Amino acid sequence: DAGITQSPRYKITETGRQVTLMCHQTWSHSYMFWYRQDLGHGLRLIYYSAAADITDKGEVPDGYVVSRSKTENFPLTLESATRSQTSVYFCASSLPASSYGYTFGSGTRLTVV
Amino acid sequence: GDSVTQMEGPVTLSEEAFLTINCTYTATGYPSLFWYVQYPGEGLQLLLKATKADDKGSNKGFEATYRKETTSFHLEKGSVQVSDSAVYFCALSIQGAQKLVFGQGTRLTINP
Repeated sequence: DAGITQSPRYKITETGRQVTLMCHQTWSHSYMFWYRQDLGHGLRLIYYSAAADITDKGEVPDGYVVSRSKTENFPLTLESATRSQTSVYFCASSLPASSYGYTFGSGTRLTVV
Repeated sequence: GDSVTQMEGPVTLSEEAFLTINCTYTATGYPSLFWYVQYPGEGLQLLLKATKADDKGSNKGFEATYRKETTSFHLEKGSVQVSDSAVYFCALSIQGAQKLVFGQGTRLTINP
């Protein structure tokens, strides 16, 4: 099916472990984004990508790594998970024009224990 | 910097009431404006948008008008339903910059 898919939907991991959240889109949108959503902070941009092999930091990039070897995939890796990274993570994609807005995935709820 | 300010929630209304959620913005350029809706357990969905002054975006009975003179994009609906219960986000993007800037979100609950 066309769309933007995030996996897993839920994840529990231990402090210090590496975890990767996956994002896949089928529209060939050039732009992709990772946000985290926390109570009291709204949505905060972690990283974004303008095209394959082009990534840039957002508002809260520390502790996260991204890659984009293919246009359709934009995985987010927590190198050594901390409790403060417990959050709901949303991936989004967009055409290269500011008037289009984003299309969001359904989110990954990550709990770090 | 660019920013969006929404009215604080939560907002609780009875079914068929009139809804207004205020949104004002600060932008260095000439933004496009958006309202997104997030239903429980789901991602954000684009509800409506406006790309230039005096444009009115509309969808599912919701409306918002781009007011450049007051830097506002208030969301309105004439008669809300229980199914409208969700979190609503106002957002902007600046021409030439792909990143969306979001407001904090307003939680809306509609009671039958």
